[in-house]
Amino acid sequence: NAGVTQTPKFQVLKTGQSMTLQCAQDMNHEYMSWYRQDPGMGLRLIHYSVGAGITDQGEVPNGYNVSRSTTEDFPLRLLSAAPSQTSVYFCASRAGNTIYFGEGSWLTVV
Amino acid sequence: GDSVTQMEGPVTLSEEAFLTINCTYTATGYPSLFWYVQYPGEGLQLLLKATKADDKGSNKGFEATYRKETTSFHLEKGSVQVSDSAVYFCALSSGGTSYGKLTFGQGTILTVHP
Repeated sequence: NAGVTQTPKFQVLKTGQSMTLQCAQDMNHEYMSWYRQDPGMGLRLIHYSVGAGITDQGEVPNGYNVSRSTTEDFPLRLLSAAPSQTSVYFCASRAGNTIYFGEGSWLTVV
Repeated sequence: GDSVTQMEGPVTLSEEAFLTINCTYTATGYPSLFWYVQYPGEGLQLLLKATKADDKGSNKGFEATYRKETTSFHLEKGSVQVSDSAVYFCALSSGGTSYGKLTFGQGTILTVHP
């Protein structure tokens, strides 16, 4: 049981490039979400999904896209990276009222 | 909307000192409350939780009690260790359409010296 798996762990992008952060969970959780963590601001919700085919925006969705074609996977796409998207990204899935986090993806946009 | 306020950090303590990290919240209804811990270079781990008023969550010597009357969920530990050095996040999860979405405090950095 791997839990919530994120890839890549570290990534450096140039401004304007696109990339996808991958997230997979093997716990058959319906609810998945993406957060970004910035110094002094805690974690902020980017997008979330309550099941395959259903996604919705969180607190800071601009510049990010998501899709949920399967229960297991919830990728986060940056269409045109900006330096303001330099952050640590966490994927999470929920069971009951407990949320499990992946180990994080450190993204730097230069 | 929902919000969580944690005490300002960083907090620096000597080993075996008593720890309190304050957390207050604003939410509609009856949220579940959590403390998460993040060790250097790692993701967030659930430390403890409480789902209704007067519940006490506990784990690894840490405790927090859900106080609805004061809308608080302060984290305490009687004797901290160097290995407790980490960032601690208070969070809440409301029910209804926002069920499962966490609202986080800004985090409190704890450093414990030998």
